[in-house]
Amino acid sequence: QSALTQPRSVSGSPGQSVTISCTGTSSDVGGYNYVSWYQQHPGKAPKVLIYDVTKRPSGVPDRFSGSKSGNTASLTISGLQAEDEADYYCCSYAGSYTWVFGGGTKLTVL
Amino acid sequence: EVQLVESGGGLVKPGGSLRLSCAASGFTFSSYSINWVRQAPGKGLEWVSSISSSSSFIYYADSLKGRFTISRDNAKNSLYLQMNSLSAEDTAVYYCARVSATGTTYDYWGQGTLVTVSS
Repeated sequence: QSALTQPRSVSGSPGQSVTISCTGTSSDVGGYNYVSWYQQHPGKAPKVLIYDVTKRPSGVPDRFSGSKSGNTASLTISGLQAEDEADYYCCSYAGSYTWVFGGGTKLTVL
Repeated sequence: EVQLVESGGGLVKPGGSLRLSCAASGFTFSSYSINWVRQAPGKGLEWVSSISSSSSFIYYADSLKGRFTISRDNAKNSLYLQMNSLSAEDTAVYYCARVSATGTTYDYWGQGTLVTVSS
């Protein structure tokens, strides 16, 4: 149950696009199409942005998109907005009702 | 409206015990798996434990070493986490999170309850 690997921080200017990577193993990210991405603002609970690698819950803007290749999943945020500044976490199902999170990425909107 | 409300957090001495609760409303509690996820101060999210809808399947993170016990009472729409032999490394905000109907993501989270282990 080792944590998934994410960059500690990324940044971008308003209107630009950023991509956050999430690297795991064949036992989690690579083994299942059950990767989720969560956004967390300071002092708040996480909120799901993407699930099942590419799906968006209702109400999540289509500026947020997900993908996966092998053992690495990615979250792309296009048309950056100030309110996107937050921490982002990936999470993968790892079999037998267990889950593993990434270490989190702090997004700074310049 | 789906709501998950955690309670029971607080300050506890090393070696002590604490029982967290999560009260659910706005959905059929007995139909969903629920998990505990924690977040140490300034750190990332960490999966703690899972319990299936009927309590048939229960799993824990290896790092807990058998100190925590998850349970639920579907008649009371409540989830619990009994934590024993607490150490400073257990200091965190503890969230309960509902697993979606597809079983593949956490679609609702509580606001969290802070557990501080300190002498």
